[in-house]
Amino acid sequence: EVQLLESGGGLVPPGGSLRLSCAASGFTFSNYAMTWVRQAPGKGLEWVSSISGSGVNTYYTDSVKGRFTISRDNSKNTLYLQMNSLRAEDAAIYYCAKDTGTGESLRNHFDYWGQGTLVTVSS
Amino acid sequence: EIVMTQSPATLSVSPGERATLSCRASQSVSSCLGWYQQKPGQAPRLLIYDASTRATGIPARFSGSGSGTEFTLAISSLQSEDFAVYYCQQYDKWPLTFGGGTKVEIK
Repeated sequence: EVQLLESGGGLVPPGGSLRLSCAASGFTFSNYAMTWVRQAPGKGLEWVSSISGSGVNTYYTDSVKGRFTISRDNSKNTLYLQMNSLRAEDAAIYYCAKDTGTGESLRNHFDYWGQGTLVTVSS
Repeated sequence: EIVMTQSPATLSVSPGERATLSCRASQSVSSCLGWYQQKPGQAPRLLIYDASTRATGIPARFSGSGSGTEFTLAISSLQSEDFAVYYCQQYDKWPLTFGGGTKVEIK
């Protein structure tokens, strides 16, 4: 059974940093691209960042470029999102999701999702 | 950035009736379109990808159609578990973008 478990969310002041983790199990992690999607309270879904199976190729939405870094440790079956210079508008539930594409091929639709971790940005 | 517009924002439907949800792209996304269902307090679930292919385990009452800029998600006979928010998502071009969602509520 595929499972994705996010952690690392919490309350951080504006300008602060957090590192989110997503522990994966039930599939060959290194074979699949992974993604972070966020959802502000009461709002819709927003794609944040994606990474290929090897970790070589990464993609970001413009609003987080230069502040967020996506990475993965395939030996630990874990996806990460390092978030720096956090802003109020970054507050959201952050979901990790598994891409349906294998290896370096991103299909960019997502068949398994974690339950999310809440990031609150406030002084 | 490709803007995805969903309509209506809210759809009131009686159980057993058919529901039709629309999604429009600001430019052509070919067939690179997915639909997700999200219930309160839960993560989204993939229903449809490539505009019309049902994801694994999705009941046949869900169907997707369209290409280019106009897409439709149809639910043939609404069950109690289908009342939720539905999002479309394009993946033809970066950045990936979602529509604002359609809430399907009980009439």
